[in-house]
Order: sequence, then C-alpha cells, then structure tokens
Amino acid sequence: AQTVTQSQPEMSVQEAETVTLSCTYDTSESDYYLFWYKQPPSRQMILVIRQEAYKQQNATENRFSVNFQKAAKSFSLKISDSQLGDAAMYFCAYRVSGTYKYIFGTGTRLKVLA
Amino acid sequence: DTAVSQTPKYLVTQMGNDKSIKCEQNLGHDTMYWYKQDSKKFLKIMFSYNNKELIINETVPNRFSPKSPDKAHLNLHINSLELGDSAVYFCASSYPGQGDYGYTFGSGTRLTVV
Repeated sequence: AQTVTQSQPEMSVQEAETVTLSCTYDTSESDYYLFWYKQPPSRQMILVIRQEAYKQQNATENRFSVNFQKAAKSFSLKISDSQLGDAAMYFCAYRVSGTYKYIFGTGTRLKVLA
Repeated sequence: DTAVSQTPKYLVTQMGNDKSIKCEQNLGHDTMYWYKQDSKKFLKIMFSYNNKELIINETVPNRFSPKSPDKAHLNLHINSLELGDSAVYFCASSYPGQGDYGYTFGSGTRLTVV
C-alpha cells in the first residue's frame, strides 16, 4: 500500500532559525510527484513546494527547500529564516504519475517562537 | 477572483438532516476532488471526477453522493447526517497531466452535526 509518513507530530523553531520537517513514503513506482502543503489556522491549504521524482535536483522556493532522497524514499522540507507566519500544519503528499489520487501524510504542526 | 470556491464555509445542522456543499473552480482544471479532514487533521480522499466522470470513489457511506454537472463544478450531497460526519470538507481541483502542479484547494466547509 502506498503510504506517507510524517514522524514528527509537532515541531518548534525559534524565529529566524532553520527547521527541517521529515517525510517518508512507501512506493514501488518510479515516476511520481511529491508536494508539501501548508495549512495555517485559517485552514486554507497552500502549496509550498513540489518535486518531480525524475529530477535529481532538489526543489527550492525562496526560504523553502527540499532534500529529496529517492533511494531512501525521503522528502524533507527545510524552512530557513523562519517567520511567525510560517506557523501552521505542514502536510507531505504524493501522487503516482498516471493516477489521480494524492496521498497525504498525517501532518506536522510547526510552532514558531518569537 | 477565487480559484476554487466552496459554499457554505460553515454549516451547522441537526442529525438526520440532508445538506449539500457546492464547489466551483475557474482554473480550467479537468479533475476535481472531495476530501474529508477529521478532528486529527487527517486528510482522506472521498471522491474524484475527471471531466464529469467519477474516477475515484473511496469507501464512503452511500449517504454521501457527489454530483458533477460540468467539469467546473462538483457538489457533495449528504443524506441523513450523523454526528460522525462532523469534519472539514475540502474541494480541490488539479490538472494532473504533464507537469503536475498539485491541488488548488477551496477554503473548506466546516460541517458540525448536532
């Protein structure tokens, strides 16, 4: 079965520091997409960053970057220079190419301390 | 212009009632989804339509019935509401073709059954 695991239910980071959220997934497929979504208290789900499995280069979006280790089936999110507005639930998600279903992890709640 | 709009944002109703949630997207996406987010924030897919055709129908009570009159609209009707149906329901759309850019979510509908 395809699963996505986020082993950290909650993380804290000091403002301006760096934090890494972990995500592992289980699949026998070779072509797929990975995503990180952010859900602030407003409950709106916002796409943070995406990665195509066939690309070896790690995706980067401003202060957000990923460490994609395909062999280890690991897809961690690094947030640099953390800001108060980064406080949210973060969900890792995965979709096999050619299918429609996205599978989400259980989420990590990130607290940013002033 | 809102990309994926859901109505209503909040819905409080009594057990046994029938209710509907509406969703519309103006992104030209061909696939739409309903997800349920429970009190532990877990996101679980319920249904998906691609160009008005039902393509994903997870194990959901048959009291839940999706309807897609066209590819820009996906509604969710729930009969005989139960306490356990209380959750946040998200509509989302995507274009999972070449270069998947992930879901665009609506803002969610918080359903409370009393």
